[in-house]
Amino acid sequence: DTEVTQTPKHLVMGMTNKKSLKCEQHMGHRAMYWYKQKAKKPPELMFVYSYEKLSINESVPSRFSPECPNSSLLNLHLHALQPEDSALYLCASSQEPVYTGELFFGEGSRLTVL
Amino acid sequence: DAKTTQPPSMDCAEGRAANLPCNHSTISGNEYVYWYRQIHSQGPQYIIHGLKNNETNEMASLIITEDRKSSTLILPHATLRDTAVYYCIVKPGGYQKVTFGTGTKLQVIP
Repeated sequence: DTEVTQTPKHLVMGMTNKKSLKCEQHMGHRAMYWYKQKAKKPPELMFVYSYEKLSINESVPSRFSPECPNSSLLNLHLHALQPEDSALYLCASSQEPVYTGELFFGEGSRLTVL
Repeated sequence: DAKTTQPPSMDCAEGRAANLPCNHSTISGNEYVYWYRQIHSQGPQYIIHGLKNNETNEMASLIITEDRKSSTLILPHATLRDTAVYYCIVKPGGYQKVTFGTGTKLQVIP
């Protein structure tokens, strides 16, 4: 299994809602990542988890709250978002945190904030 | 991280080789060159990476100049499915962050 699975594929939420994005991998990878991608822009790194601990936070607003319950699962909890947070949210994993190999990406969760 | 410069867009005829250039003139000795691509509305896909030597896999070839200040990704026989944005990334081997630049939008034309 060489897949990173993201759910839901599409999410529409209001500014007062609380929702979560989920990412799962069963490749035994020990690093997991969240990226945000606005239309026609490159992906931007948000968070990195290494061995289930948050190792990088790229100054992301607190309305985005990541969680790594175990080595296979990564969540992104969303609360009080703004319309400008509408974007494609990409999850990725790699074999080790400090590694010369590749990142495996999921297909993304497309979020619309009304 | 070293900065990369890529042309914003390129066209390639189907069946011909696509040669995508990348300039990374400030690259350091411990930094690798990576290539990813992103087909519309999908997650990025790893293609290939290298440090000094040229590399080849089932998807593409990577040619790195001797001074390592530039590289070229070669898709030997481009197909319509190769239409995508191609990202050249430079990253130290022992570094977690993978930072994407603006990339090259490759259009393969029938």
